[in-house]
Amino acid sequence: GAVVSQHPSRVICKSGTSVKIECRSLDFQATTMFWYRQFPKQSLMLMATSNEGSKATYEQGVEKDKFLINHASLTLSTLTVTSAHPEDSSFYICSARASAGFENEQYFGPGTRLTVT
Amino acid sequence: GQNIDQPTEMTATEGAIVQINCTYQTSGFNGLFWYQQHAGEAPTFLSYNVLDGLEEKGRFSSFLSRSKGYSYLLLKELQMKDSASYLCAVSDSNYQLIWGAGTKLIIKP
Repeated sequence: GAVVSQHPSRVICKSGTSVKIECRSLDFQATTMFWYRQFPKQSLMLMATSNEGSKATYEQGVEKDKFLINHASLTLSTLTVTSAHPEDSSFYICSARASAGFENEQYFGPGTRLTVT
Repeated sequence: GQNIDQPTEMTATEGAIVQINCTYQTSGFNGLFWYQQHAGEAPTFLSYNVLDGLEEKGRFSSFLSRSKGYSYLLLKELQMKDSASYLCAVSDSNYQLIWGAGTKLIIKP
C-alpha cells in the first residue's frame, strides 16, 4: 500500500521560533496533500489543501502567513509554523492523494506532535 | 452546509458487537470512509462505501444507504485493542473529505 512519512514525529520548540514539518509520499506521486491539526480529544481539522506547483488553499480561520505550506514536488510538502506560540501545540497530520484516477484514495502520515514551550 | 453526525462516545463489552452510526448531509457524494484512530496516532483506513449495501472485511463491516444519508460501522467479536476513536468521513463533490467529530469507543472486559 501507499506510504506517507512525516518528519519529525515529535518536536519541542520555544515560543517565537519556527518549525518545519515535512510530509513525503514514498511510493507514489501526490498531486494533492492535505494538512490537518488535531487538538486533544477532538477530531481532525483541515487546515489547508496544497496542490503541487500552486499556492495552498487555506480553510477559514487558518492564518496563511503563520502556517506556510510549500508543495514543491509530487512527493514532498512542507508545513512551517512561524513564530510558534503555546496555543499552536497540537498534533499535525498530513495526508496525500495520488494523481488523477485515484481521487478517493487519501493516505495519512503518522503525524507530528508539536509542543511549544 | 455540510454536516456529519456520529455519537460522541460508546461503550461495549469485550466479545460483543457494536454498531456506530453516521449520518451526513454534504454537497455531492463520492463515497464514505471509516477510519480508526488510536490515541496519539494518525487515522488508519478501515473501509470505503460508494454504493448502497454492506461491505464486510473480517470483524468489521460497513453499511451505506445513500438515499437516507446514513452509514454504520459494525464491529464484531470486540477486542480490547478495538478501543479507539472511529471517524466517519464523506468525500464531497470536490473529492474533499468532510469529517465527523469521531466516536470514542470504550471496550470493557
